[in-house]
Amino acid sequence: GQNIDQPTEMTATEGAIVQINCTYQTSGFNGLFWYQQHAGEAPTFLSYNVLDGLEEKGRFSSFLSRSKGYSYLLLKELQMKDSASYLCAVWNRDDKIIFGKGTRLHILP
Amino acid sequence: DARVTQTPRHKVTEMGQEVTMRCQPILGHNTVFWYRQTMMQGLELLAYFRNRAPLDDSGMPKDRFSAEMPDATLATLKIQPSEPRDSAVYFCASEGKGGGETQYFGPGTRLLVL
Repeated sequence: GQNIDQPTEMTATEGAIVQINCTYQTSGFNGLFWYQQHAGEAPTFLSYNVLDGLEEKGRFSSFLSRSKGYSYLLLKELQMKDSASYLCAVWNRDDKIIFGKGTRLHILP
Repeated sequence: DARVTQTPRHKVTEMGQEVTMRCQPILGHNTVFWYRQTMMQGLELLAYFRNRAPLDDSGMPKDRFSAEMPDATLATLKIQPSEPRDSAVYFCASEGKGGGETQYFGPGTRLLVL
């Protein structure tokens, strides 16, 4: 079966760093996405990893280990506007994109 | 500013009624996805099209749901008859070259079936 696990909720403080983990078991692997979704809005693209390693994009970085079926999204210098759900999604070999249930991130002042 | 549009944004209907949701993908995008999002299940892929051909609709209840793409600028998702358990937000997303590209989501249709 297809399974993507991420923590349901996390809390962090403004200005701090937070790491959101995602583990997956899917039928094959073509790539892994991270999306941000604010309450009541549509998901927006953050990153896409195909190869192992860390991809940095401003305050956000995404890491992938294909052998471990593991990824994380790292958010630095947290701002209040980063309060949102973060969705991990895997593109499998059947050309389907499977989403995790998302991690709700709360930022405290 | 290219974006995916969806209509209607909100729909309240009674059980048994037909519901039609429409999506206009970004011009030039050849892959269109339909998703459903609920608190319990999260985001689920219902169906998707590439170059207007249906590639997969295994996530969709076939007896009541149907998805079509009559032309490159319009995708539709119909529910007939609707049931209360269909209440959810339905997102359409489009993608450029097909496979592993960024998906751009529309604003969603919030459906409530009473």
